[in-house]
Amino acid sequence: QVQLQESGPGLAKSSETLSLTCTVSGGSINGYYWSWIRQPPGKGLEWIGYIYYRGSANYNPSLKSRVTISLDTSKNQFSLKLTSVTAGDTAVYYCARSLYASGSIWFDPWGQGTLVTVSA
Amino acid sequence: QSVLTQPPSASGTPGQRVTISCSGSSSNIGGTNNVHWYHQLPGTAPKLLIYSNDERPSGVPDRFSGSKSGTSASLAISGLQPEDEADYYCATWDDSLSAVVFGGGTKLTVL
Repeated sequence: QVQLQESGPGLAKSSETLSLTCTVSGGSINGYYWSWIRQPPGKGLEWIGYIYYRGSANYNPSLKSRVTISLDTSKNQFSLKLTSVTAGDTAVYYCARSLYASGSIWFDPWGQGTLVTVSA
Repeated sequence: QSVLTQPPSASGTPGQRVTISCSGSSSNIGGTNNVHWYHQLPGTAPKLLIYSNDERPSGVPDRFSGSKSGTSASLAISGLQPEDEADYYCATWDDSLSAVVFGGGTKLTVL
């Protein structure tokens, strides 16, 4: 079955760019939407954005000015870049396959998540 | 403050039936958008529990059921088991925000 694995630095410096990659195994990236979701320590979930396998992306308006999601179909990977990070961006970042029907989108499966801490 | 409102906590004893509510508005649940539910065991990633209001992914026991009415949705868990102790989140699309929105989560304790 499809599995997702996040990778990238666990530490980012304030004002710099956070970069993460999600590797998809057990299935193709083609045909699906792929999302990033984050969860600050002890708090709830926040959707960051998704990218369609054909390359079009949609971002949470609250983060849109700082977020870029891209994909590399040859490597079965998609990536997240978040610029100008602050302590408020400290969170566990999850990647997830996104299923879309009737104007609705849901996430299944999820990666295990990776904690990114933003330091001063 | 989450767009979707869930009770912060819920509890029940083994074998009981518990429900978790998710309240929204006309721009999200009250529209044509479907509601999805996830559960998150301590220290693990969320997992899909219910999609499109009342559909169960394969492998999810039929003890779990979802419903939607008006601007609210509910998750019901019957025959509560100790392993159901987890955080539960509802989610849907919000037309006004043009974003996926989550509830704040409900921590379910099995007494």
